[in-house]
Amino acid sequence: KAGVTQTPRYLIKTRGQQVTLSCSPISGHRSVSWYQQTPGQGLQFLFEYFSETQRNKGNFPGRFSGRQFSNSRSEMNVSTLELGDSALYLCASWAGSGVNEQFFGPGTRLTVL
Amino acid sequence: DQQVKQNSPSLSVQEGRISILNCDYTNSMFDYFLWYKKYPAEGPTFLISISSIKDKNEDGRFTVFLNKSAKHLSLHIVPSQPGDSAVYFCAASQNYGGATNKLIFGTGTLLAVQP
Repeated sequence: KAGVTQTPRYLIKTRGQQVTLSCSPISGHRSVSWYQQTPGQGLQFLFEYFSETQRNKGNFPGRFSGRQFSNSRSEMNVSTLELGDSALYLCASWAGSGVNEQFFGPGTRLTVL
Repeated sequence: DQQVKQNSPSLSVQEGRISILNCDYTNSMFDYFLWYKKYPAEGPTFLISISSIKDKNEDGRFTVFLNKSAKHLSLHIVPSQPGDSAVYFCAASQNYGGATNKLIFGTGTLLAVQP
């Protein structure tokens, strides 16, 4: 079974731009969560999608948004990028019910200049 | 407010010995706990988990212990191997098996296993 894939792996943007990151979950998994990892704040939950609906949301500004498609693939978007948005963005895949093990992708390293 | 805490930023252990990584939490509503291992520039890899109805779970060289009264859990690795060197994250969630799966992570402990 293929794991979680994320594209692109690396991205460099400038302040004020917007960015879209993509995640393909494990086949059969219906839930996708997004996390931000920074040296100062560690791993922080952004949001979770299940069957194309946002089911939970972390404490991030409205510039961070996401969506999920009918094939469970998910995208997250960050608008009006700030320097502090530089981070590793991780996507996690879960079956959607039952035990809570989430499986992570390799992440997208976003650098904002 | 840091609901999940890993107070040791780093730990160094000799190969073959036991590694003990600790984690404390403050939210008594957490009902499921997980340990992840992470190498630089990679996503976290799931290691082992435990629900709040148990106090111990084993999987090969890895054992997780949960002390609910102390709001404390620990990960034991026996015997430790150089390939175990990585950052270990403790994570907790509420609503085990339910309709959502938000994980709260600790800040991580860097384990170095010396040959």
